Amino acid sequence: AQKVTQAQTEISVVEKEDVTLDCVYETRDTTYYLFWYKQPPSGELVFLIRRNSFDEQNEISGRYSWNFQKSTSSFNFTITASQVVDSAVYFCALSEIGNSNYQLIWGAGTKLIIKP
Amino acid sequence: DVKVTQSSRYLVKRTGEKVFLECVQDMDHENMFWYRQDPGLGLRLIYFSYDVKMKEKGDIPEGYSVSREKKERFSLILESASTNQTSMYLCASKSGLYTDTQYFGPGTRLTVL
Repeated sequence: AQKVTQAQTEISVVEKEDVTLDCVYETRDTTYYLFWYKQPPSGELVFLIRRNSFDEQNEISGRYSWNFQKSTSSFNFTITASQVVDSAVYFCALSEIGNSNYQLIWGAGTKLIIKP
Repeated sequence: DVKVTQSSRYLVKRTGEKVFLECVQDMDHENMFWYRQDPGLGLRLIYFSYDVKMKEKGDIPEGYSVSREKKERFSLILESASTNQTSMYLCASKSGLYTDTQYFGPGTRLTVL
């Protein structure tokens, strides 16, 4: 069955440290999409990245980077030189081509606390 | 940029009241979604709509109904609000391509007293 696991419930680091948020997924589809969203304290879910199952290249966007490894079914998210503004809950999600309902399968989220 | 707006950020209602939560998107998206988010339970899909007047139940539709009379607007209705419907409600939209991204509104924090 399809599933997304974010094993880290909460992570706390000091500003400027690097931090990696883990995401492990399960799917039977060969074609699927993975997403990361950020939810700051204001509550709005902000889209960060979408990656399809055929593209295993790592992605870098400023201080953010994503490591997609099909061999381990993981799509991990790293923040380099973290800042207080990175404090938020981060969600990983899976979308399967075979899912005609267009639903996203959500991880439980990881709460990231960046201390000044 | 995609813009999804929700009618209220905070709402306080009494038990038994009929509650309308409105969501509007400006990107001509075919699909719209209503989720609720509760601590420890993550995001749960209540209903979604893939076209005007079309709707599908999500994982937790009980106690809710929806309306989509126009493409850009998707309403969530609590026919008779109960305290266990106190929650954060999030609306999202996406294009007709199932590969596309869901974009979210700012959320409505509903308290039912």
